[in-house]
Amino acid sequence: DTAVSQTPKYLVTQMGNDKSIKCEQNLGHDTMYWYKQDSKKFLKIMFSYNNKELIINETVPNRFSPKSPDKAHLNLHINSLELGDSAVYFCASSQDLGSTGANGYTFGSGTRLTVV
Amino acid sequence: GENVEQHPSTLSVQEGDSAVIKCTYSDSASNYFPWYKQELGKRPQLIIDIRSNVGEKKDQRIAVTLNKTAKHFSLHITETQPEDSAVYFCAPRNQAGTALIFGKGTTLSVSS
Repeated sequence: DTAVSQTPKYLVTQMGNDKSIKCEQNLGHDTMYWYKQDSKKFLKIMFSYNNKELIINETVPNRFSPKSPDKAHLNLHINSLELGDSAVYFCASSQDLGSTGANGYTFGSGTRLTVV
Repeated sequence: GENVEQHPSTLSVQEGDSAVIKCTYSDSASNYFPWYKQELGKRPQLIIDIRSNVGEKKDQRIAVTLNKTAKHFSLHITETQPEDSAVYFCAPRNQAGTALIFGKGTTLSVSS
């Protein structure tokens, strides 16, 4: 039973399209995150939500919009996709803000987005 | 915001050797210091962490040491094995205590 599940695993789309990535966690965690991992493996935080409330909104283009309908779900919608958006997007969850729980962050398996 | 530097960026060792990766951070208010391991094509996973009231923590072949005065912490892997080959990330918690800020990663290659 997957703890943090992301769909889809792979996403290939054309420039200018709008796409969404979904994330769900069944760990009962309060906090969820989106990270972007570029081709150089750099993991950069994009957003975090705590109990459905936006906590962190790093400098990302307005084309990226997170939505958290409940604390178990954090989806990422991307408008007008650009070539530079190609990356692996990881969802993660933690027991609380800043991950002080025993198991730290639990990551999803990632969504590899390729914009052509 | 938190500035995190990891060294080296790549590290190649022979099986059985030790490996040390160092992470420096800028925010003196940071109080939680984890290390994550990411195997090729997989998700990052927590391997060990330390909190600011402890100087060293061990778990079998891996250990983490913390020097809060100098603002750095290190990952030590002894008796390395080929399955230790991966990218390792340090990720100190940010000043606000709201997220982990990942370093740029160290690619460890263990050859047999």
